[in-house]
Amino acid sequence: SQQGEEDPQALSIQEGENATMNCSYKTSINNLQWYRQNSGRGLVHLILIRSNEREKHSGRLRVTLDTSKKSSSLLITASRAADTASYFCATDARGKLIFGQGTELSVKP
Amino acid sequence: SAVISQKPSRDICQRGTSLTIQCQVDSQVTMMFWYRQQPGQSLTLIATANQGSEATYESGFVIDKFPISRPNLTFSTLTVSNMSPEDSSIYLCSAKRDYNEQFFGPGTRLTVL
Repeated sequence: SQQGEEDPQALSIQEGENATMNCSYKTSINNLQWYRQNSGRGLVHLILIRSNEREKHSGRLRVTLDTSKKSSSLLITASRAADTASYFCATDARGKLIFGQGTELSVKP
Repeated sequence: SAVISQKPSRDICQRGTSLTIQCQVDSQVTMMFWYRQQPGQSLTLIATANQGSEATYESGFVIDKFPISRPNLTFSTLTVSNMSPEDSSIYLCSAKRDYNEQFFGPGTRLTVL
């Protein structure tokens, strides 16, 4: 069963705009990880945030975690056409990673 | 990080046959996993591959259908047995060390006719 729910399911923006994706989950977690997948290819690991962290940055990515609300968000700033992909959150609760449904991001040039 | 390779990258198989997918990690890892991604869907965990013992399967997945081996700390295989068109999916191998980043192989795209 899926642990996480992501919204929106699909997001379409113009190049240069920011994209925000949200993830909610149900149980206590050790960490939460975000991934990108281009057109059914393998998953690229973007960022890991631990349960005792509230915010992490990596380049144009910013991830927040609110354990009281059991939610996380991924912000991509100054988006590019190359950011077009599916983005998944995944929670590590008992040593194994359970995925959300994903957000399909389309960045138009 | 860990670099994970899978073989084959894709295959087209006939109904009723079996396919074994190989997963190789470039360094020792604590845990290895197998996931399935059905067309247009997210990833679903099939099982945790345990070194030297039977894999731990998730609800809805059984050993007779998806036998898994993990003879050492860097290698695992997943067999999809007695295939039907419903088994057409991408199968992904994954690995991690303790509570750290979990990395994925490029996937094996399986089509069953």
